[in-house]
Amino acid sequence: EVQLVESGGGLVQPGGSLRLSCSASGFAFSSFYMHWVRQAPGKRLEYVLGISSSGGSTFYTDSLRGRFTISRDNSKNTLYLQMTSLRADDTAVYYCVRRGNSDILYAMDVWGRGTTVTVSS
Amino acid sequence: DIQMTQSPSSLSASVGDRVTLTCRASQIISTNLNWYQHKPGKAPKLLIYAASTLQSGVPSRFSGSGSGTEFILTITSLQPEDFATYSCQQSYSIPYTFGQGTSLDIK
Repeated sequence: EVQLVESGGGLVQPGGSLRLSCSASGFAFSSFYMHWVRQAPGKRLEYVLGISSSGGSTFYTDSLRGRFTISRDNSKNTLYLQMTSLRADDTAVYYCVRRGNSDILYAMDVWGRGTTVTVSS
Repeated sequence: DIQMTQSPSSLSASVGDRVTLTCRASQIISTNLNWYQHKPGKAPKLLIYAASTLQSGVPSRFSGSGSGTEFILTITSLQPEDFATYSCQQSYSIPYTFGQGTSLDIK
């Protein structure tokens, strides 16, 4: 079964850091681009960052550049999101997402169930 | 960034109804438009990609149409499991932006 499982969420104080992980199974992880998408309470889904299959290229939302970093370890089938200088408006459910191939015009075809990050003092 | 706007924001309907959801892009995105269904506590699910192609395993009561800047998701004969939030997303350029979602609930 194709599956993405996020972990690492929790409560963190403003200004703090957190690293999320996403464990992939059931597919050739190293062949796919991967993304992080988040959804704050009452807000729309928001693209966070993405990374190429090899890890050689990364894609950022300008507003998050410098605070968030995406990486991957293809030997461990794991995607990471390092978040620093966290703010209250980073509070959200963070989803790990697989980008499909060109056959499906790069739609996001596999999603994890998400991990919740709460930034509060 | 490309802005995505959905209408309506919420919709009440009954089992068996036919509903139409609309998504507009702030610039031409060809058919690089995808629809997702999401429910609380569950992983969002890809329903339709490339504006009109049904993802494998998705019931045929779902259909999509449109190109350029205007897109439609139609659900015929609503089933109880269809009551959820539906979001459109453009995969034309990064950042891949989403619409604000349409919440579909039971009348």
